[in-house]
Amino acid sequence: ETGVTQSPTHLIKTRGQQVTLRCSSQSGHNTVSWYQQALGQGPQFIFQYYREEENGRGNFPPRFSGLQFPNYSSELNVNALELDDSALYLCASSLDGLAGVGTGELFFGEGSRLTVL
Amino acid sequence: GEDVEQSLFLSVREGDSSVINCTYTDSSSTYLYWYKQEPGAGLQLLTYIFSNMDMKQDQRLTVLLNKKDKHLSLRIADTQTGDSAIYFCAESYNTDKLIFGTGTRLQVFP
Repeated sequence: ETGVTQSPTHLIKTRGQQVTLRCSSQSGHNTVSWYQQALGQGPQFIFQYYREEENGRGNFPPRFSGLQFPNYSSELNVNALELDDSALYLCASSLDGLAGVGTGELFFGEGSRLTVL
Repeated sequence: GEDVEQSLFLSVREGDSSVINCTYTDSSSTYLYWYKQEPGAGLQLLTYIFSNMDMKQDQRLTVLLNKKDKHLSLRIADTQTGDSAIYFCAESYNTDKLIFGTGTRLQVFP
């Protein structure tokens, strides 16, 4: 069990609404990455935050935005929700912007499952 | 371009070996990973390999990398029912993000 916690675990929204998902990183980690995992697919990189700044972004529109706070926790915001935004949103924490491969220090939370109706 | 492909499904008998295969397209990838996802859970890193290695063994897990063919495999020896899960291959180049495959669902039957 990792120290990465995400909330809420499940939520239902309707098209056009906005959603905020939250992530608390592993103790000592200063980097948070967000991934979207659609049903039956592998996770896709949305963006990464390192020391409160965006540090890389995948192929997602601007209505996907994020924040990182001084305590390194993070939020993912999605505006103008579309049906295709229905997915499991995974947060991963690591140290110093790395994918964590050297020490295996990339830990995923259990995700927030978003359903858009 | 970035693309990672895996077969969708694998079924094995308990006690047999499982081999899960993956192909990737980015020859500049420096790290390749195997993750496990159980139902309702996040991703668990099983093992990883640097692109300058051919093989890595970690207890029941053996990773083989054929860099020329851009082919990665994960062998699980003595597969158990607890190994039933979805297995994702992933690659990265500059370590700021992972590119995942679509996952292989491993089913272990008695």
